[in-house]
Amino acid sequence: DGGITQSPKYLFRKEGQNVTLSCEQNLNHDAMYWYRQDPGQGLRLIYYSQIVNDFQKGDIAEGYSVSREKKESFPLTVTSAQKNPTAFYLCASSKDRVQETQYFGPGTRLLVL
Amino acid sequence: DQQVKQNSPSLSVQEGRISILNCDYTNSMFDYFLWYKKYPAEGPTFLISISSIKDKNEDGRFTVFLNKSAKHLSLHIVPSQPGDSAVYFCAAPPGGGSNYKLTFGKGTLLTVNP
Repeated sequence: DGGITQSPKYLFRKEGQNVTLSCEQNLNHDAMYWYRQDPGQGLRLIYYSQIVNDFQKGDIAEGYSVSREKKESFPLTVTSAQKNPTAFYLCASSKDRVQETQYFGPGTRLLVL
Repeated sequence: DQQVKQNSPSLSVQEGRISILNCDYTNSMFDYFLWYKKYPAEGPTFLISISSIKDKNEDGRFTVFLNKSAKHLSLHIVPSQPGDSAVYFCAAPPGGGSNYKLTFGKGTLLTVNP
């Protein structure tokens, strides 16, 4: 089945630790996105990538980093510089810049110990 | 500055009745709008969309209405079912043919009571 997978479903981070969230899609989509959701808030864009080996900062990129070495993969690293990392992280993809519909993965909940 | 606003954080309706979820926007460049449905601890799923060249789009029990002059859109669910209980997000791309940087509202929690 085609879709977007995110792993792990839950992730725990210790103070000062970097952690990486995985996002894989087999929809052959060019564009991929990372969002963060906090309670009572909408989705806020962290980073997005229009094509392999290219990515752009979203609205809240500080403390995060990404890579896009393969079309199907767009991992997100939450660095120790991110002071409030506890949130629900959502990865999405879309076919290209013409088609507006973004399709989301199941999400990863990150908790700080 | 919130460009997409969902002013009702929650809505409760009886099963079988109509649910109306509202969304307002401030950016006149927006020309396409999407509604997403989200269950707890899951990713949002695309529900329905509307282009600014239309004022209504219908898909089964779901209808979205767009009033461009008022910069307002609404999602109607008829009849409402308990399985519709979820958070509904309104979203818009920046316009001009680009789908990047969808702007989301804060969402409305719909509860459909049996």
